Amino acid sequence: GAVVSQHPSRVICKSGTSVKIECRSLDFQATTMFWYRQFPKQSLMLMATSNEGSKATYEQGVEKDKFLINHASLTLSTLTVTSAHPEDSSFYICSALGKGNYEQYFGPGTRLTVT
Amino acid sequence: EDQVTQSPEALRLQEGESSSLNCSYTVSGLRGLFWYRQDPGKGPEFLFTLYSAGEEKEKERLKATLTKKESFLHITAPKPEDSATYLCAVQAPYSNYQLIWGAGTKLIIKP
Repeated sequence: GAVVSQHPSRVICKSGTSVKIECRSLDFQATTMFWYRQFPKQSLMLMATSNEGSKATYEQGVEKDKFLINHASLTLSTLTVTSAHPEDSSFYICSALGKGNYEQYFGPGTRLTVT
Repeated sequence: EDQVTQSPEALRLQEGESSSLNCSYTVSGLRGLFWYRQDPGKGPEFLFTLYSAGEEKEKERLKATLTKKESFLHITAPKPEDSATYLCAVQAPYSNYQLIWGAGTKLIIKP
């Protein structure tokens, strides 16, 4: 149980375009999901907390107009990187809070490359 | 300051050579400590949650223990497939859900 999927696993886009990443909890409902960014050889950096049916809470320094988060259902959260630039290239990982506990279950990640 | 420190940064072992990874934490009122395994290019995989000093949990060749200052992840007779980065995180005192992450220990098991 507690499987989280992400789509796409890899995406290459041109500078100035927008990219949408989907995060789904496959076998459980997740009222809370998280979006992380991870640079090479570094640990996870929390970008935002996504709550179903309400606005996401962004961490300090994360531009909410650039990283749009929508948590429209109990099994789906999306992250849209708007007007992407090469510095947005990174590994983006989502997680979902397990039902009844504080454990986070992670998706496989999305490698974004902006050219 | 709330923080999590993992050591060593990297560890190379021969297959079958047991060892331990360390996770030291300073946080006011620990509410949960988590161990994850991360393979290259993948998201972290949940391993254990520990809540109170003295608690131990096991899964195959892994055993996690917890004291008031640190946690150890003991690896017994490791195999090459145990090679990965092991991440430790503690529940942030200011949030029910957010985690404070360590930098991880990269474990390499040579056949």
